[in-house]
Amino acid sequence: DGGITQSPKYLFRKEGQNVTLSCEQNLNHDAMYWYRQDPGQGLRLIYYSQIVNDFQKGDIAEGYSVSREKKESFPLTVTSAQKNPTAFYLCASSRSSGRTGELFFGEGSRLTVL
Amino acid sequence: KQEVTQIPAALSVPEGENLVLNCSFTDSAIYNLQWFRQDPGKGLTSLLLIQSSQREQTSGRLNASLDKSSGRSTLYIAASQPGDSATYLCAVLSGGGGNKLTFGTGTQLKVEL
Repeated sequence: DGGITQSPKYLFRKEGQNVTLSCEQNLNHDAMYWYRQDPGQGLRLIYYSQIVNDFQKGDIAEGYSVSREKKESFPLTVTSAQKNPTAFYLCASSRSSGRTGELFFGEGSRLTVL
Repeated sequence: KQEVTQIPAALSVPEGENLVLNCSFTDSAIYNLQWFRQDPGKGLTSLLLIQSSQREQTSGRLNASLDKSSGRSTLYIAASQPGDSATYLCAVLSGGGGNKLTFGTGTQLKVEL
């Protein structure tokens, strides 16, 4: 069953801690993305990767880091430098980074800072 | 900078009604437009993708149209059902590098029995 798996679904973090959100896809997609969703706002792009071992900053990359060591995996680390990390995080992928690709999303991870 | 607006923010209709959701964008130089559905606490499910060269796409009871020149798209839902209750988001791909979408804030739809 092809799709995008995000884990954990819920995560609680104390201030000053780094946390890593997992994103795995078995769709054989080249491009992967991380978005942040806050109430009343549209989704905002954090980082994206068009190919293994390469990634670019999105609109709100400060306080976040990523890696893309495998095609299937694109983990997101929320560092202590992110001042307002409580949000719903969505991972997505597309077949290519070209101009026609359809985006598919995982089920999301909700991060709460205590 | 591309901006995407969806009006209304919320909509409540009786079951069986046909309805139209609106999406407008400020930069008409887009590559494609995608409509998504999001249930509470869930990820986004892709409904329809319209390429810039297309005027509309259909899937079951859903029909999406695109008018690039006026910067508008509509999502038409026929014979609405309670199971259609969700937030509907549109997103446009325009300019820049990579497949970066600009999202609207969505229309929250409630279909009542």
